[in-house]
Amino acid sequence: AQTVTQSQPEMSVQEAETVTLSCTYDTSESNYYLFWYKQPPSRQMILVIRQEAYKQQNATENRFSVNFQKAAKSFSLKISDSQLGDTAMYFCAFMKLETGTASKLTFGTGTRLQVTL
Amino acid sequence: DAGVTQSPTHLIKTRGQHVTLRCSPISGHKSVSWYQQVLGQGPQFIFQYYEKEERGRGNFPDRFSARQFPNYSSELNVNALLLGDSALYLCASSLRDSPYGYTFGSGTRLTVV
Repeated sequence: AQTVTQSQPEMSVQEAETVTLSCTYDTSESNYYLFWYKQPPSRQMILVIRQEAYKQQNATENRFSVNFQKAAKSFSLKISDSQLGDTAMYFCAFMKLETGTASKLTFGTGTRLQVTL
Repeated sequence: DAGVTQSPTHLIKTRGQHVTLRCSPISGHKSVSWYQQVLGQGPQFIFQYYEKEERGRGNFPDRFSARQFPNYSSELNVNALLLGDSALYLCASSLRDSPYGYTFGSGTRLTVV
């Protein structure tokens, strides 16, 4: 079974600054995807960024980028130029790829990010 | 286009009762998944349906069941409710049973008293 660990329950960052959220995972699989999701008070889970395990290049989406260290099983999220709208719970998630079976997400416990003025 | 729609948004039930939660996926999406999110934790996988067939089930008791209809909407049913079933229930849809294009709804907040 896969596990995802987020060791930072809460973090705070000032507007326009950069913050990094940590995530580690444990798996024996070689073919999988990793995700960061954002959950604002509206409760809807919103995809922030996705990384394929077979790709060595780190994924980037505008102000969001990841540091994917496959050997260390580490997948951190960097948010640059933080904005007030980035305030939310952030969840790291793992999905293994296996044809014909459910593509289920395994989530960590989340990091609550507060962006302040 | 409408996103993933879940109903109701909030619900209060008594222990031992039965509840039905509903999910309408994005038009054209054939895969629906259900997750349970207990307060302070990450979501946990309950079921996935693709083309009206169950593709996977998480570690939940038989009191939890689901189905997918010909129009790809889905219902999650929970029997003999326990206090521990109080949670946010999230539905997610995608075109296929793949990791691309998962879209979540805003969930149903179930409180069992």
